[in-house]
Amino acid sequence: GAGVSQTPSNKVTEKGKYVELRCDPISGHTALYWYRQSLGQGPEFLIYFQGTGAADDSGLPNDRFFAVRPEGSVSTLKIQRTERGDSAVYLCASSSYSGEQFFGPGTRLTVL
Amino acid sequence: DAKTTQPPSMDCAEGRAANLPCNHSTISGNEYVYWYRQIHSQGPQYIIHGLKNNETNEMASLIITEDRKSSTLILPHATLRDTAVYYCIVRVALPINNAGNMLTFGGGTRLMVKP
Repeated sequence: GAGVSQTPSNKVTEKGKYVELRCDPISGHTALYWYRQSLGQGPEFLIYFQGTGAADDSGLPNDRFFAVRPEGSVSTLKIQRTERGDSAVYLCASSSYSGEQFFGPGTRLTVL
Repeated sequence: DAKTTQPPSMDCAEGRAANLPCNHSTISGNEYVYWYRQIHSQGPQYIIHGLKNNETNEMASLIITEDRKSSTLILPHATLRDTAVYYCIVRVALPINNAGNMLTFGGGTRLMVKP
């Protein structure tokens, strides 16, 4: 079956611009996670959804970052006023309530 | 979640067993040991997990010491496609209340399988 998909695969933007990154989880998975991975490091947790609500957003670095999951399936990570330090690979993962997390291929964001 | 310690890199000859160690001396009684790997330009991939008994699946074997303070992931016959960063993570198996069960990644071990 289809795995987790993320679009776009690459995004180049200019400092100060707004970007949206999309995640399509595995059908039926209620849990959805966003992680961020900087070069040479392991992924870092950003936010977790159980259904439509953000149950834990403690990993979001500041209020420029926001994520939604309005219908409990697709999720969008939104970054306002992008900064060069936001450049990273943004990974999405989904799971059933108690199952393993399946990751998408990530979106590579480059802020010039 | 308990912290883990892994060597930053390892080499392995193709066709030989790759043994990747992990120390987790502060693991709690309800925490499992999970292994994920990340092949270049891909998202992390689940490999295996265990609590205290040794585990085996089609990808790998997991050996956990009796005191649970360390473990070893074994790839019995490494291939070039096994070249990746391997992450050892400890966490509870089920979410507590409505809290997430996020993964806390360390630096991992970069395994290079050589022909």
